[in-house]
Amino acid sequence: ETGVTQSPTHLIKTRGQQVTLRCSSQSGHNTVSWYQQALGQGPQFIFQYYREEENGRGNFPPRFSGLQFPNYSSELNVNALELDDSALYLCASSLPQGKYGYTFGSGTRLTVV
Amino acid sequence: GENVEQHPSTLSVQEGDSAVIKCTYSDSASNYFPWYKQELGKGPQLIIDIRSNVGEKKDQRIAVTLNKTAKHFSLHITETQPEDSAVYFCAASKGPNFGNEKLTFGTGTRLTIIP
Repeated sequence: ETGVTQSPTHLIKTRGQQVTLRCSSQSGHNTVSWYQQALGQGPQFIFQYYREEENGRGNFPPRFSGLQFPNYSSELNVNALELDDSALYLCASSLPQGKYGYTFGSGTRLTVV
Repeated sequence: GENVEQHPSTLSVQEGDSAVIKCTYSDSASNYFPWYKQELGKGPQLIIDIRSNVGEKKDQRIAVTLNKTAKHFSLHITETQPEDSAVYFCAASKGPNFGNEKLTFGTGTRLTIIP
């Protein structure tokens, strides 16, 4: 059974640019959540996708958007990057309703300069 | 919304001793409380969780207790080993209610086991 895979592992972007991060969920998991983890902080919920629909959103502006595909993989898109967007972006997959918990990937470290 | 506070922020214990990390939550509707271990360069790994219909849960050297009345829960690690050194996060959610499963995390505890 494969775990959650995220790509790329590291990324450097310039302020104002756009970025796309990718996530392959654990086998059998059809729910994907994205979290932002600033240095020295706990992860903050961005949004969750179930059956290709957004199913809950945290306190993040609309320039943070996402997609889920029929194979349950997911993308996080961030437009008009700001310096404060520099963080570790984590993807977590689960069964619906978080049954049996959430499995996190190792994250994508995004640096905005 | 939910607010989770975690203490202490750093903890150093001698190898073989016990470590205790405490969290409080604000939303009485929260009913799922997982604990995650995060090692350098890795994502959080679920180590134990507890639901609100249970007061205590144990898995080998790790245990979690929950006091719903006081809205606090704790992680207990006994017989600590060097590989227990990591950052530990508590979290809370209102799951398993569909659409309310987001996890609210504490700020983390950096645990260092001294050989």
